[in-house]
Amino acid sequence: SQQGEEDPQALSIQEGENATMNCSYKTSINNLQWYRQNSGRGLVHLILIRSNEREKHSGRLRVTLDTSKKSSSLLITASRAADTASYFCATDGWDTDKLIFGTGTRLQVFP
Amino acid sequence: DVKVTQSSRYLVKRTGEKVFLECVQDMDHENMFWYRQDPGLGLRLIYFSYDVKMKEKGDIPEGYSVSREKKERFSLILESASTNQTSMYLCASSSGTLQENSNTGELFFGEGSRLTVL
Repeated sequence: SQQGEEDPQALSIQEGENATMNCSYKTSINNLQWYRQNSGRGLVHLILIRSNEREKHSGRLRVTLDTSKKSSSLLITASRAADTASYFCATDGWDTDKLIFGTGTRLQVFP
Repeated sequence: DVKVTQSSRYLVKRTGEKVFLECVQDMDHENMFWYRQDPGLGLRLIYFSYDVKMKEKGDIPEGYSVSREKKERFSLILESASTNQTSMYLCASSSGTLQENSNTGELFFGEGSRLTVL
């Protein structure tokens, strides 16, 4: 069962611009995580935000969580060509013991 | 550096063949997972394991089985491969006690195994 849905499905920007991706989910969660996947490779964990947190930063990444709207956003500031990848949100729900992934946002950053 | 290693990056098999996908982690993690990834469908959980010799069905276990004889190794088995099992298979591991209503922490993924069934 799919829990998270990312929006947009695809995003193209120029280097230096900011990229914002959104994730919506359906049920209550313990935490929400964001992962990055380069083409044809495995996923790499970026950041985890707990249900009692509203915002978290890691380098050029900023994640927000709004549990009342069941949504999260990932902001990548001052994007670089190397940020080109797919980005997935994943939720850990109260009623499950597994991490459920969304379908991802494909980000293309042009030099 | 922590590592999850999947034995084969690319495999081509014929319909009806038995296929083994191996995954080894060197982080002493309790939990291991097998996902498949298909365009437009994201990652779907096939099976997971929270201890040696323990296994739990994920969302799409049909047509698959798993084996976890040692803590570091989690194998995915396709008893009789079919063309609809052509996919990217991703293994992952995580630490901590995995039980209902507990927090699932960070997953560490392997590089993936791209299986084509002809």
